[in-house]
Amino acid sequence: EVQLVESGGGLVQPGGSLRLSCAASEFTVSSNYMTWVRQAPGQGLEWVSILFSGGNTYYSDSVKGRFTISRDDSENKLYLQMNSLRSDDTAVYYCAATPAGPFYYFYYLAVWGRGTTVTVSS
Amino acid sequence: DIQLTQFPSSLSASVGDSVTITCRASQRISTFLNWYQQKPGKAPKLLIFGASSVQTGVPSGFSGSGSGTDFTLTISSLQPEDFATYYCQQGYATPHSFGQGTKLEL
Repeated sequence: EVQLVESGGGLVQPGGSLRLSCAASEFTVSSNYMTWVRQAPGQGLEWVSILFSGGNTYYSDSVKGRFTISRDDSENKLYLQMNSLRSDDTAVYYCAATPAGPFYYFYYLAVWGRGTTVTVSS
Repeated sequence: DIQLTQFPSSLSASVGDSVTITCRASQRISTFLNWYQQKPGKAPKLLIFGASSVQTGVPSGFSGSGSGTDFTLTISSLQPEDFATYYCQQGYATPHSFGQGTKLEL
């Protein structure tokens, strides 16, 4: 079964750092477009970042310069390095995938993990 | 950046009803519009991609339409498990923004 499992969330002080991981099963991270989406408590979904199979990356303005998306092909994992964390970064972070295929250019998120919770508070 | 506005923000309906949710983009996005369902405490689930293509495994009561700036998600003959929050998302240009969500309540 295709599966994504996030880890690495937790409580961190403002200004601190965390690295989130997303492990893939029955699925090759490097062959697909991988996205991080977050959801603040009681709020809607917010698109954070994407890593294309070719290596290009894009970020939302709210995290640009602070977050870095990357992958480790040997471990088949996606990462989100989060620096200079602020209270408004508090959210559940989901990794999600656009599978390679005939309609990939719609950038739909067909596979999702269960999420990992990040709390930024002193 | 492209803004997506969904309406209504919330909607009350009954089992067996048909409902329509609208998503309006701040600029033309062709058919690069996807729809998701999210239940409390769960990850979102893809329903529709490319404005009107139903994802494999999604029940037949879900349909999508639209092009350009105006899109709709229609759920016909509501089932108890359909009461959830629905989001649109555009894949036309990064950031691939989401609408603010529509909560469908019994």
